Formats: sequence, structure tokens, C-alpha cells
Amino acid sequence: EAGVAQSPRYKIIEKRQSVAFWCNPISGHATLYWYQQILGQGPKLLIQFQNNGVVDDSQLPKDRFSAERLKGVDSTLKIQPAKLEDSAVYLCASSLARGPLGNEQFFGPGTRLTVL
Amino acid sequence: AQTVTQSQPEMSVQEAETVTLSCTYDTSESDYYLFWYKQPPSRQMILVIRQEAYKQQNATENRFSVNFQKAAKSFSLKISDSQLGDAAMYFCAYYPNRDDKIIFGKGTRLHILP
Repeated sequence: EAGVAQSPRYKIIEKRQSVAFWCNPISGHATLYWYQQILGQGPKLLIQFQNNGVVDDSQLPKDRFSAERLKGVDSTLKIQPAKLEDSAVYLCASSLARGPLGNEQFFGPGTRLTVL
Repeated sequence: AQTVTQSQPEMSVQEAETVTLSCTYDTSESDYYLFWYKQPPSRQMILVIRQEAYKQQNATENRFSVNFQKAAKSFSLKISDSQLGDAAMYFCAYYPNRDDKIIFGKGTRLHILP
């Protein structure tokens, strides 16, 4: 079974530039998550999708971050414009369903973003 | 607010020995789940072990076991017969049943000494 795919793996940009990350979840997984992991910290949930609908985006900085999952499969996360403090690893995860039992979250390898 | 605290930023253990990673959490909920995740240097996080709060029996998965103390809000991970492949960041995580959002601790980096 293929895992969660993310691209690119690494990205370096200047502050105020835009950047986009892509995630392809495991086939059949209805729930998709984007996390931000700043160096030395645990992952923080940015946004959660159930199929193509947003379940929780309470921690997404909506003035600069946006995410979509148009067909309920792939997802993109965009930052526009980037700030220095956005330097982090962005993790995508997917699960079969919501809730902790039916749903072990499977994580992708992450995209390491460096903002200069 | 619900928080997860891992008080050991780094730990080292000799290969084949046993090590225990500590985790405490704060919650007013009674129904929740606790997890330990492993994140090797390649950064792909994987689930190591899961504990349901309503179960008194401690979860075990091969060499990995937990010591769940609900009253003390403590959830430690014991790794027996440590192997070089166990070297990684370990994250303790809390999942309230009603909230559908995992809260992670800051992690413990585990080094395995050959």
C-alpha cells in the first residue's frame, strides 16, 4: 500500500514570496490533516478535511495560509506571503475516518520550508 | 487548556537495555486516547502504541509498553531490548474523544548507544 506522498521535500524562499505544498493521501482515506512542525516542537494541526469539506481550521493563520482539497483526494497548502516564522516542516497525514479508533493517522515525509 | 508535557528533551540508552520516556498531560475530560508516535530522522511519523483512557490494562506492542496512570495523568513509554533502529524523536499525544484533534508534546529525542 502506498503511503502519504508530499512534494516538494524541501523548499527555500525569500520572505514575502509565495509557496505551495502538495499532498496525496492514502487511497480511500477520507480525512486529511495538515500540520506545522517548528524545530524543537511537536506537530500543530493547521487544518483538517473530511472529504472535501473543512472540519477544523481554527489554528490556520487565514491571513496568509490557505488550503484546499477540491475533489476530496489531493490537497494543497499555500502560504502567501511567507514570513520568517513560517520556517518549519509541514506534515500531511490521512486517516480512513475521523475519531481515534477507526482512524490511525498515517503521516507523509513532510516538506521542510526555509524562509530567508 | 489541554496540554501534553514531555520533560525529557533528550535521552540515551545502551543497546539492548530498557528505557522509559515520560509524559504527563492535563485535561478535565474522562474519555480520551493517548498515543506515542515515533519520528525517525527521515521524519515520517509512525504510531507506536495507543491507549484508551477507559481501559485499565496497559497497552503493549512487542518491545513497547506503556504505564498509564489515569489519576496522575501520566503516560510513560517503556522500550525493552533497545535497538539501533529505535533512535528517533518520540512524541506523546493526547486525543479527546469529543474533539477530534491530536495534541502533541514537544518530543523526546532518544539516542541508542552501540
